[in-house]
Amino acid sequence: QVQLVQSGTEVKKPGASVKVSCKTSGFTFTDYYLHWVRQAPGQGLEWMGNINPNSGATKIPQRFQGRFTVTSDASISTAYMELRSLGSDDTAVYYCARPDCSGDDCYSSLYWGQGTLVTVSS
Amino acid sequence: DIQLTQSPSSVAASVGDRVTITCRASQDINRWLGWYHQKPGKAPKLLISAASNLQSGVPSRFSGSGSGTDFTLTISSLQPEDFATYYCQQTSSFPPTFGGGTKVEIK
Repeated sequence: QVQLVQSGTEVKKPGASVKVSCKTSGFTFTDYYLHWVRQAPGQGLEWMGNINPNSGATKIPQRFQGRFTVTSDASISTAYMELRSLGSDDTAVYYCARPDCSGDDCYSSLYWGQGTLVTVSS
Repeated sequence: DIQLTQSPSSVAASVGDRVTITCRASQDINRWLGWYHQKPGKAPKLLISAASNLQSGVPSRFSGSGSGTDFTLTISSLQPEDFATYYCQQTSSFPPTFGGGTKVEIK
């Protein structure tokens, strides 16, 4: 069965960086894009970007460009997100997710990781 | 970015009630809208894609409709496991965006 397992809780100081991993199984890693979505405490969902593990190409909305990077390692079926210059408003649960279809414009997320809480606090 | 406005922001209902949630897009998104629900401490679950396509395993009491800018999620007979927060998501244009959520609470 499809599984996405994320790395554990992180606590970071303002200005630091955080890197979260998402290890996948149950499907061919290079056949599907992987997305990252975050959710601040008590708030809604925010789509942050995705990666095509086959090519390494990423799509990142403008508001995150410059401080958000998505990478992948197909040899271990794992995707990573890194967020730099953290501020308190980056405190959130970060999810990786796999879409319900393969292709460039598949943005509905069918399979989700368990989420990784990132807390930014001095 | 396309803005999605959900209403109501919360609704109190009883088991067996019919519940309707609406999602309005700031511009035409054809039928490129999905619905999720999320329980506290859990990841969202995709219920419906492309406005009305029920995902495998999702009970038939859930249905979606709409096109263009106005969409509806209907739960025909609310069950105890349906008390959750519901989100719509547009997948028409980049970046995909979510509505603010509708919390379905027990009356």
